[in-house]
Amino acid sequence: NAGVTQTPKFQVLKTGQSMTLQCAQDMNHNSMYWYRQDPGMGLRLIYYSASEGTTDKGEVPNGYNVSRLNKREFSLRLESAAPSQTSVYFCASSERRLYGYTFGSGTRLTVV
Amino acid sequence: GENVGLHLPTLSVQEGDNSIINCAYSNSASDYFIWYKQESGKGPQFIIDIRSNMDKRQGQRVTVLLNKTVKHLSLQIAATQPGDSAVYFCAENMGGGTGNQFYFGTGTSLTVIP
Repeated sequence: NAGVTQTPKFQVLKTGQSMTLQCAQDMNHNSMYWYRQDPGMGLRLIYYSASEGTTDKGEVPNGYNVSRLNKREFSLRLESAAPSQTSVYFCASSERRLYGYTFGSGTRLTVV
Repeated sequence: GENVGLHLPTLSVQEGDNSIINCAYSNSASDYFIWYKQESGKGPQFIIDIRSNMDKRQGQRVTVLLNKTVKHLSLQIAATQPGDSAVYFCAENMGGGTGNQFYFGTGTSLTVIP
């Protein structure tokens, strides 16, 4: 059982470049989430998808877009990367309301 | 949204001692709380949860206490082991909305001294 798989694990971008972070889960969970983790700031919610076909903004959505491709996959896109988006990005999924998350192992992104 | 905060950013304990990690939350509407453990280079891992209709919940070597009166959450780890060294986050679920969104504190780094 893979759980939540994120790709790539590491990425370096130049300012203004675009990229898509991929996330897939094999647990048949309904909800999926993208968080970013910065030193001293914990995890902050970027976007989430409560169910297939829906997406909503979280705390820090500016500069990002998401796509819930199907029940398994939820991607995060940076259209024009900025140094402020240097962070570790985590994807998570949950079965339903009032259940904990299963997290992926993260993508470490550096924007220079 | 309102954020969860932690009292202490770092904690060092001797191997075999008990550890207590504290967390303050500010939203009285939060109805579900989770403690996560994050080891270096890994994603957070679920430890234990508690719902707002409970005051205490026990797992294997871990206990979570919830005091709704003062909006305080704590994680107790019994007989702390070197493998417990990690960053611990509390997360609150404020309810409502269409999803299952959690808001995380900044974390407490636990170091176990052999």
